Amino acid sequence: DSGVTQTPKHLITATGQRVTLRCSPRSGDLSVYWYQQSLDQGLQFLIHYYNGEERAKGNILERFSAQQFPDLHSELNLSSLELGDSALYFCASSVGLSGNYNEQFFGPGTRLTVL
Amino acid sequence: DQQVKQNSPSLSVQEGRISILNCDYTNSMFDYFLWYKKYPAEGPTFLISISSIKDKNEDGRFTVFLNKSAKHLSLHIVPSQPGDSAVYFCAASDSAGGSYIPTFGRGTSLIVHP
Repeated sequence: DSGVTQTPKHLITATGQRVTLRCSPRSGDLSVYWYQQSLDQGLQFLIHYYNGEERAKGNILERFSAQQFPDLHSELNLSSLELGDSALYFCASSVGLSGNYNEQFFGPGTRLTVL
Repeated sequence: DQQVKQNSPSLSVQEGRISILNCDYTNSMFDYFLWYKKYPAEGPTFLISISSIKDKNEDGRFTVFLNKSAKHLSLHIVPSQPGDSAVYFCAASDSAGGSYIPTFGRGTSLIVHP
């Protein structure tokens, strides 16, 4: 158990809908990262928050947004969903800024299926 | 354009033998490399890392080798155990350049047969 929790575990929805994925980092971790893993793809970095502030953006679509709240939990909002958004979405946390000697701890993921 | 490539989608090894997982990268600015292990229905777990100032790092049965001139790293597992069966992701970051978010490969599925 990494100490990172993600809810829900599974989500099935229809095209055009909007969903919210939730992540609670490990106790004491200030950084939260979101990744997307599509079929046979590696982990694609979406966005990073550090202590409530957005610090880095990766290949995140404009239809997607995220925030980190004062209690450090984070939410990833996906809107106008398309079939291609079906994927595993992972949240990870780290003590500070990811880098040398500061590895990320991943949650179990949320499997999103868009029908 | 994949900057981190794991060209073998899968690898099958007999228990007790050596498992060698390979990873190539194209970005010469990468200076920190990590391996993650992922079991089904779980998130990736950090396994071992290496800084570009080293060419080898060992942790128990796991050793990572880095060949900077070839832009290649490999993970050796000796001896392999059935519990090592998982997907292994290679990742690399450019921490000196401030791009500290690791870039992941697509993973190699390792199966260790009893």
